[in-house]
Amino acid sequence: AQSVAQPEDQVNVAEGNPLTVKCTYSVSGNPYLFWYVQYPNRGLQFLLKYITGDNLVKGSYGFEAEFNKSQTSFHLKKPSALVSDSALYFCAVQKDTGRRALTFGSGTRLQVQP
Amino acid sequence: DAGVIQSPRHEVTEMGQEVTLRCKPISGHDYLFWYRQTMMRGLELLIYFNNNVPIDDSGMPEDRFSAKMPNASFSTLKIQPSEPRDSAVYFCASSPGGGYTFGSGTRLTVV
Repeated sequence: AQSVAQPEDQVNVAEGNPLTVKCTYSVSGNPYLFWYVQYPNRGLQFLLKYITGDNLVKGSYGFEAEFNKSQTSFHLKKPSALVSDSALYFCAVQKDTGRRALTFGSGTRLQVQP
Repeated sequence: DAGVIQSPRHEVTEMGQEVTLRCKPISGHDYLFWYRQTMMRGLELLIYFNNNVPIDDSGMPEDRFSAKMPNASFSTLKIQPSEPRDSAVYFCASSPGGGYTFGSGTRLTVV
């Protein structure tokens, strides 16, 4: 079975400061890892993914994530937060073979204060 | 490309009524997924299809739920009879095999 843990229900950060949203995963085999963002009353929007290759992945809106195989982590980062980044963020994992369904974490609410 | 299209956006129905949610995936995407989102349980996979064939329906809560994909451009999720605990946002997503594109969801309220 595969699973994702997002240990923080909410992350608060001041505008202009760096932000990190944590994610750890468990999967047998090689993982495909994803980050999605959800704004109020909207569907989930793709931010970035790790499939293979460089452990640092760059995505939309200035976000990046670092894949760490030894720590089974895929933390989302941004060097300088914006108020408009305030939203719900989901980490997700999929096995590289077989079952194609993503397993999502419980989500982390990011609040960026002006 | 119009993305994944779901209808209706909102549905309010009385307990015991039949509810049908609809989804049009992105053309060329051969995977289609139905998820349910609630505050208590987060995002739960209900069922997914590959090339119109159901692959994994282990997340379907009970026999009251059924899903079909009669062709590559259309899928339905039906609840019969509906119950208040079915109130949630139901998302459809499609994929070419990697990441997903989600629809805007259907907010279902069963009173």
